Amino acid sequence: DIQMTQSPSSLSASVGDRVTITCRASQSISGYLSWYQQRPGKAPNLLIYGASWLQSGAPSRFSGSGSGTDFTLTIDSLEPEDFATYYCLQTYETPLTFGQGTKVE
Amino acid sequence: QVQLQESGPGLVKPSQTLSLTCNVSGGSITNGGYYWSWIRQHPGKGLVWIGYISYDGTPDYNPSLKSRASISSDTSKSQLFLRLTSMMAEDSAIYYCARGPHSEARARGVDVWGQGTTVLVS
Repeated sequence: DIQMTQSPSSLSASVGDRVTITCRASQSISGYLSWYQQRPGKAPNLLIYGASWLQSGAPSRFSGSGSGTDFTLTIDSLEPEDFATYYCLQTYETPLTFGQGTKVE
Repeated sequence: QVQLQESGPGLVKPSQTLSLTCNVSGGSITNGGYYWSWIRQHPGKGLVWIGYISYDGTPDYNPSLKSRASISSDTSKSQLFLRLTSMMAEDSAIYYCARGPHSEARARGVDVWGQGTTVLVS
């Protein structure tokens, strides 16, 4: 199985901050990486697919980068509604595997 | 647009079989080339992919479930099903059905999620 390691597991930030979350794959997954936001009590919501493509409807302050094994999710200017948990997911091969999550508080 | 809605018993006894249904509205399971996934989340924990069924009915599973999972569909009713046998306390979780990835565009991720259904094993 491909292991996905996210860091940090949690971070403290303020409205207006620039936030960066990283995800590392245990082997190359090309660009088969997506990012999800999950608010408490809600289902995850797709933000970024293909490592760097913004999902329709996702705010433009979210961006993704990376290829191969190292990926980054950046939130340019944190909004109050962005305090949530973020997950990466590799869809390069099955079993699909998620990172362990990063809680932004 | 496509919407997904899970339903199930809420409470199952240890050793019993869990049966969940996902109703798909606004789109067809067989058209569009999508895989349809089941994903679970233990309380306060991360997300785990259980498996998926393809648009042509072929399933694939996470080996970590040791063959306890079975995913099927009824295309005439636009429904997906998850069966999980020999339920244990550790199977208590929120279970999500979701659309994705796409068979020819796997990088597009999992783009539509149901709201999830909570299952307690006790």
